[in-house]
Amino acid sequence: TQLLEQSPQFLSIQEGENLTVYCNSSSVFSSLQWYRQEPGEGPVLLVTVVTGGEVKKLKRLTFQFGDARKDSSLHITAAQPGDTGLYLCAADNDYKLSFGAGTTVTVRA
Amino acid sequence: DAEITQSPRHKITETGRQVTLACHQTWNHNNMFWYRQDLGHGLRLIHYSYGVQDTNKGEVSDGYSVSRSNTEDLPLTLESAASSQTSVYFCASSGPGTYRSELFFGEGSRLTVL
Repeated sequence: TQLLEQSPQFLSIQEGENLTVYCNSSSVFSSLQWYRQEPGEGPVLLVTVVTGGEVKKLKRLTFQFGDARKDSSLHITAAQPGDTGLYLCAADNDYKLSFGAGTTVTVRA
Repeated sequence: DAEITQSPRHKITETGRQVTLACHQTWNHNNMFWYRQDLGHGLRLIHYSYGVQDTNKGEVSDGYSVSRSNTEDLPLTLESAASSQTSVYFCASSGPGTYRSELFFGEGSRLTVL
């Protein structure tokens, strides 16, 4: 059983459209991270959210941590082909990270 | 620049053979981790270490072992490779200067067991 459930599993959109990826759990976490992974490479950290209700922005990417610290979302505005990749959420579990299965995002030009 | 490197990047082996995947980091991080990545499962933790001579089992540790004799290296050994261990393996590290468990990943080692 996956500690973190990510949805959708796959997402294909046209350049310029918006998209949202969700990460949900029944557990409360002290922090949650989002990573992006490109083919043939390791995941790269995008952001860490710590406080319930926290919203962080990274250019066109907006990350939100749920009030109860059980869920998070990643919203991309005006997606570009360079946003294509596997997006992974990961929860802090006693100094170890537990990962969701990921959402594969494809942005078509 | 500090980095984390894995070798080999690709390996094909036969069932029953012993395989060792190397991981070397120059961040001087205390914490090092091995994950495997399979379709539909995301990244699953195999073993981890919080310092020299410290090793711990993760959620999928059966058939794998690690040793930590220095800060820089955490080799992963498959004692007797099985087809179920065909996967992409990622080494990662974290330590001082990062928020708790933020990880820096290597580029991965793709292992095929025939």
